[in-house]
Amino acid sequence: QPVLTQSPSASASLGASVKLTCTLNSEYRYYAIAWHQQQPEKAPRYLMKVNRDGSQVKGDGVPDRFSGSSSGAERYLTISSLQSDDEADYYCQTWGTGTVVFGGGTVLTVL
Amino acid sequence: QVQLQESGPGLVRPSQTLSLTCTVSGGSISSGGSAWSWIRQPAGKRLEWIGRIYASGSTNYNPSLKSRVTISIDTSKNQFSLNLDSVTAADTAVYYCARGDDSSLYWGYYIDSWGQGTLITVSS
Repeated sequence: QPVLTQSPSASASLGASVKLTCTLNSEYRYYAIAWHQQQPEKAPRYLMKVNRDGSQVKGDGVPDRFSGSSSGAERYLTISSLQSDDEADYYCQTWGTGTVVFGGGTVLTVL
Repeated sequence: QVQLQESGPGLVRPSQTLSLTCTVSGGSISSGGSAWSWIRQPAGKRLEWIGRIYASGSTNYNPSLKSRVTISIDTSKNQFSLNLDSVTAADTAVYYCARGDDSSLYWGYYIDSWGQGTLITVSS
């Protein structure tokens, strides 16, 4: 069973950059993950998928300010030039045999 | 990208069955490489995957809910549905339907489209 670990919270200043981390448990360290953004009181939105080699594919309309990368069992979401509406919960998601798993989410605060 | 819309009663009595339908537009529910998921989120909590169905009717369920969940599909109506039996207050949540792409072993299964969600309250 895959397990995804995310830091509960992160913060950065308006206009700065922030890097969010999603860690796969060791057995699943080669798996791809997807990043989803959930703004307050809204449905989640698919941002991108990131694979173990750092390859990424973004969803429609996702700004270039959002990028993904990878190192070992960690998958990253970097948001540059932070804007106020980037303040949201960010979830990573992966899969296993017959199952789908979400991380606990990171609450991003834009200062 | 497809659009998804959940529909169903906002209030369900304890011990009754929660029934929701998701209508898919902008694409066929039978399109290859797609698997259709239900996901829920209690207030202030994380996303929880409930289960998924393929156009063939093949299903997978979250083991923690498997004994109470049935997901079905109606390809003629471009809809899929969720039944959750014997509900309690712990099942109160926003329920989302979503499309997942399952077309590549390299990428695995990932959700790429979400419905807007519907709040289901379990209360007498």
